[in-house]
Amino acid sequence: DTAVSQTPKYLVTQMGNDKSIKCEQNLGHDTMYWYKQDSKKFLKIMFSYNNKELIINETVPNRFSPKSPDKAHLNLHINSLELGDSAVYFCAASTGLAPGELFFGEGSRLTVL
Amino acid sequence: DQQVKQNSPSLSVQEGRISILNCDYTNSMFDYFLWYKKYPAEGPTFLISISSIKDKNEDGRFTVFLNKSAKHLSLHIVPSQPGDSAVYFCAARNSGTYKYIFGTGTRLKVLA
Repeated sequence: DTAVSQTPKYLVTQMGNDKSIKCEQNLGHDTMYWYKQDSKKFLKIMFSYNNKELIINETVPNRFSPKSPDKAHLNLHINSLELGDSAVYFCAASTGLAPGELFFGEGSRLTVL
Repeated sequence: DQQVKQNSPSLSVQEGRISILNCDYTNSMFDYFLWYKKYPAEGPTFLISISSIKDKNEDGRFTVFLNKSAKHLSLHIVPSQPGDSAVYFCAARNSGTYKYIFGTGTRLKVLA
């Protein structure tokens, strides 16, 4: 039973389209994240939610909108996709402020043509 | 501003020998450090962590060393195995915040 699961794993779409990536965690953790791994392989934090409340927003374009319907789910919606949005997007979960690891999903590879 | 850096993009080691991966950080507020391993097309998986109150933590073949004055940590893998071939990321956080900052990664290749 996967602790953090993301769908879809692969997504190929045209510039200008809108797409969503979904994430679910069954760890019971309070805090969820979106990270982006770009072509240079850097893992950069984008957003974090704690108990459905947005707590980190790292200067990401407004075209990216996270939504957390409950603390087990964190979705990422991207409007008007651009070529530079092509990347692997990782969802993750943690216990929050208590020291502990970040649990990652398998990643969603987005390719914008 | 890259607060966590891994200056070696790649490292090759013979099977059975020691692998040493290095990581430097600039933010003195970081007090919790982690190492992750990542295989292609998979998410990063947690390996080992260390709190700033310690200077060493060991788990099987993996040992992490922390030198706070130098703002440097290292991961030792002994003995290295071909299955250890992966990209290794170090990460850091200030326990008063939720943010985990990752290094740029080092690709380790263990040669059989």
